[in-house]
Amino acid sequence: GAGVSQTPSNKVTEKGKYVELRCDPISGHTALYWYRQSLGQGPEFLIYFQGTGAADDSGLPNDRFFAVRPEGSVSTLKIQRTERGDSAVYLCASSSPSGGPNTGELFFGEGSRLTVL
Amino acid sequence: EDQVTQSPEALRLQEGESSSLNCSYTVSGLRGLFWYRQDPGKGPEFLFTLYSAGEEKEKERLKATLTKKESFLHITAPKPEDSATYLCAVQPNSGYSTLTFGKGTMLLVSP
Repeated sequence: GAGVSQTPSNKVTEKGKYVELRCDPISGHTALYWYRQSLGQGPEFLIYFQGTGAADDSGLPNDRFFAVRPEGSVSTLKIQRTERGDSAVYLCASSSPSGGPNTGELFFGEGSRLTVL
Repeated sequence: EDQVTQSPEALRLQEGESSSLNCSYTVSGLRGLFWYRQDPGKGPEFLFTLYSAGEEKEKERLKATLTKKESFLHITAPKPEDSATYLCAVQPNSGYSTLTFGKGTMLLVSP
């Protein structure tokens, strides 16, 4: 009965480097979401997958951010040329086909804390 | 643009001292309003969904209510384990895959 798993839990990188953050959703959950949470703020929507395709990527801040979910399960958030302003906790959530978009019931992971020096 | 404002930012209560948290929202057609609880270093945990004005949901010491402009999370006789940040989020009728969250209210319940 594992929940949403995110790795790494902490990542420290230097400005300009490339970073990948991984999310393993709850088995059977077809919907997957990425959110970003800065200190003292609520989560901010980045992207939503239904199956393998990105159904809504309107929250990605710019073209340095990209996410994939090639087999409809594990997802990877990729950040190119990182900037200090990218420092935040990146949260992944998944939901069942009957939840999520219908009920707002998302199951969140513990997040990946990214620090860009 | 959808907006969610939560107040107060922080609240300190004594064990057993009841109170309410407020969530004011602006959304172009509300599909649903949600309350989540977030413990330090953890992801948010779903509590309630409210769909229409007048609706109420209860879970243990928590009761959520909804009007056309705001929602309240009432905490009755809180315990120290209720200490957490409580987040409110709205979902619009259009583009309903996304939730817009407020900044949260940090609740501390002292024994």
